[in-house]
Amino acid sequence: NAGVTQTPKFRILKIGQSMTLQCAQDMNHNYMYWYRQDPGMGLKLIYYSVGAGITDKGEVPNGYNVSRSTTEDFPLRLELAAPSQTSVYFCASSYSGAPYEQYFGPGTRLTVT
Amino acid sequence: DQQVKQNSPSLSVQEGRISILNCDYTNSMFDYFLWYKKYPAEGPTFLISISSIKDKNEDGRFTVFLNKSAKHLSLHIVPSQPGDSAVYFCAASAPFGNEKLTFGTGTRLTIIP
Repeated sequence: NAGVTQTPKFRILKIGQSMTLQCAQDMNHNYMYWYRQDPGMGLKLIYYSVGAGITDKGEVPNGYNVSRSTTEDFPLRLELAAPSQTSVYFCASSYSGAPYEQYFGPGTRLTVT
Repeated sequence: DQQVKQNSPSLSVQEGRISILNCDYTNSMFDYFLWYKKYPAEGPTFLISISSIKDKNEDGRFTVFLNKSAKHLSLHIVPSQPGDSAVYFCAASAPFGNEKLTFGTGTRLTIIP
């Protein structure tokens, strides 16, 4: 099993550009999550999904969109990149039901200049 | 409003000694607590967890203690090893919350050989 994979690993965007961060998992997990981590801060939840076709906002959803058309994939879309979106983005997944362990991907480091 | 707090940004411990990492929370609805470990350029990995019905959980060198009345938990690592050098995140979950985790800001542990 590859677990949770994320692409790209690094990206530099200009202000106003758009991009999609890809996330895939092969563990047949129903739940998937997107977090961002700013320097010296904890992980903050952007969006999450409890199954294909179902998504909901987390703590910091502004400026982002998500979709979940399959169990495996959960892409995160940035429409109009802003410097405040410079961060490291982590995708995670978990099996529905306790315990609540989430499995994380390696992250995407995004810089918006 | 930081519901999960790790007040020590960093901690240095001699190899072989005990490392104690602390975490405080404010939301009394939290009923499940986890510790994650993160190496540079990698995603967090699950380390150990504890349910609110317990006050201690052990897994090898790692023990988590929960004091519900004080809304405090701690992670003990004994004996500390150089490979334990990483950032440790405390996280908490509330019931019926779609397994969403609220993370602390992390503590960077450095084990001195």
